[in-house]
Amino acid sequence: AQSVTQPDIHITVSEGASLELRCNYSYGATPYLFWYVQSPGQGLQLLLKYFSGDTLVQGIKGFEAEFKRSQSSFNLRKPSVHWSDAAEYFCAVGEGNGGFKTIFGAGTRLFVKA
Amino acid sequence: DTGVSQDPRHKITKRGQNVTFRCDPISEHNRLYWYRQTLGQGPEFLTYFQNEAQLEKSRLLSDRFSAERPKGSFSTLEIQRTEQGDSAMYLCASSFGSDRGYEQYFGPGTRLTVT
Repeated sequence: AQSVTQPDIHITVSEGASLELRCNYSYGATPYLFWYVQSPGQGLQLLLKYFSGDTLVQGIKGFEAEFKRSQSSFNLRKPSVHWSDAAEYFCAVGEGNGGFKTIFGAGTRLFVKA
Repeated sequence: DTGVSQDPRHKITKRGQNVTFRCDPISEHNRLYWYRQTLGQGPEFLTYFQNEAQLEKSRLLSDRFSAERPKGSFSTLEIQRTEQGDSAMYLCASSFGSDRGYEQYFGPGTRLTVT
């Protein structure tokens, strides 16, 4: 069965420091990959997606992610974290025709310290 | 584009009661999805519609759960004879079909508490 693993339950970084959130997936074919962010009381917001092509994808809010097929990974990065980035981050893989069934990881909660 | 909306935002019910949630997708989207999210977990896929047809249901969707999308627009999710284990956030999402991109846009969710 397809699965998504986010090894870090929570991460704390200092404001202005760089960030990398890890994501590994298990999927037989070329996956549709996503990163979502969820702030308290807010809905899930799509940060970026990968379907094909360039393996380094740019998203909103200064985030980027790199698809590495050999490592089955899709890690999320940001060069300089802002206090407003504190939230829960979910990696997800889409399966099925057009990726309709999205399988989410358990999430990584990001804390930002001043 | 007003986004995906869900109603109600919060629902408290007693065990054994029936509840119904509504989702209004983005109007141009023909796909609609339901997910359930419990504390500390990512959303879990429940079911999805393409227009009015329900094309996939998760094993998580027991026979107490039913979803409809009668005219291919809004959708309802009904839970009969609620149990405490049904307490969760129920999320709705919508998207275009496969030829217009796959990303799903999520609503704010309905938080269900079963007492």
